[in-house]
Amino acid sequence: QSVLTQSPSASGAPGQRVTISCTGSSSNIGAGYDVHWYQQLPGTAPKLLIYGNSNRPSGVPDRFSGSKSGTSASLAITGLQAEDEADYYCQSYDSSLSGYVFGTGTKVTVL
Amino acid sequence: QVQLVESGGGVVQPGRSLRLSCVASGFIFSSYGMHWVRQAPGKGLEWVAVISYDGSNKYYADSVKGRFTISRDNSKNTLYLQMDTLRAEDTAVYYCAKKYSNYVDWIDYWGQGTLVTVSS
Repeated sequence: QSVLTQSPSASGAPGQRVTISCTGSSSNIGAGYDVHWYQQLPGTAPKLLIYGNSNRPSGVPDRFSGSKSGTSASLAITGLQAEDEADYYCQSYDSSLSGYVFGTGTKVTVL
Repeated sequence: QVQLVESGGGVVQPGRSLRLSCVASGFIFSSYGMHWVRQAPGKGLEWVAVISYDGSNKYYADSVKGRFTISRDNSKNTLYLQMDTLRAEDTAVYYCAKKYSNYVDWIDYWGQGTLVTVSS
């Protein structure tokens, strides 16, 4: 059972903005540990999308942005495109578990 | 370019063992920590274990502690996951993944995964 909670689904029409939340606690996000985001296209391995709360690796479009506040983090996708239809996962570290944790995942659908 | 190629998956009976391997190329394997992450069919990602660049530090998820062992052979650029006393709930695709660096905790590369099915 994951300690990082995400809404199961999100959707939007092409061109719209979608926001995904990742809620943790005082032993992970709230303790100051960074949040990272991964995109998993159907049938493929995950891919790094955002690292260190708000940084994009080379090659990731600037339509993707991340933020963190308190015990939560968010991923925003602006100008939604058909190829953004995927599952998205947040990830952090948990000091109580002494291990890494992933969010429950959010499926983004482009209407 | 970085490549991570897992192997060793298959069908195994409950209570038996299996060893997964991950051959790395395209980077200096001995300089980076490595993870195993799994994904049960239709489910989300679950972190399994991590090992430091030199193998001196290993950490496990509670769900596999005492049953799984992560190890590496830097001379062979290979990461391993020894899985003992397997249970039905261990059924998943197992991904080998590279840490971006030894001082941060994000993953910058993933393998394509190998499927482990625990069933009688």
